[in-house]
Amino acid sequence: GAVVSQHPSWVICKSGTSVKIECRSLDFQATTMFWYRQFPKQSLMLMATSNEGSKATYEQGVEKDKFLINHASLTLSTLTVTSAHPEDSSFYICSASGLDLYNEQFFGPGTRLTVL
Amino acid sequence: KNQVEQSPQSLIILEGKNCTLQCNYTVSPFSNLRWYKQDTGRGPVSLTIMTFSENTKSNGRYTATLDADTKQSSLHITASQLSDSASYICVGVSGTYKYIFGTGTRLKVLA
Repeated sequence: GAVVSQHPSWVICKSGTSVKIECRSLDFQATTMFWYRQFPKQSLMLMATSNEGSKATYEQGVEKDKFLINHASLTLSTLTVTSAHPEDSSFYICSASGLDLYNEQFFGPGTRLTVL
Repeated sequence: KNQVEQSPQSLIILEGKNCTLQCNYTVSPFSNLRWYKQDTGRGPVSLTIMTFSENTKSNGRYTATLDADTKQSSLHITASQLSDSASYICVGVSGTYKYIFGTGTRLKVLA
């Protein structure tokens, strides 16, 4: 149980276009979802936290108008990178958390974004 | 300031050997400490979770220890296999949801 999927697994786009990444909890209801970014050989950096039906909370330094997060249901959250630029190229990972003893976050497999 | 430091940064061992990875943490308020395995190009997968009162926890060939007094944790891998090649990430959890990630130890197991 506790499977989180992401789609697409990789995407290549031109500079200036927008890209949407989906994160789904397949077998549980995720009250909270998290979006992380990971650059090569670095650890995961939290971008934002979202609760179903409410606005996302962004970490300091993350542009909310550039990284649009929607958490419309208990099983789906989306991250849209608007007007992507090469510096946005990264590995984006989502995680989902339901209500359990440890508030466990279950991580998705990640999405590799390359902006040309 | 909440932070998690791991050592070594990278490690190469021969198949069948044991190894121990280290983690020092400063996390407040402390909730629990986790170890994750992350294969290249994949998301992290949980190995162990330990709360303040737990000193050791095992998951197959992985054994984690926690010393809450010195704020240190270790992950011991027994009889390593080629498939153990990955990054191992120590995560301190503060409060309800705040995950503080270490930079990881990149382990390479050679045949």
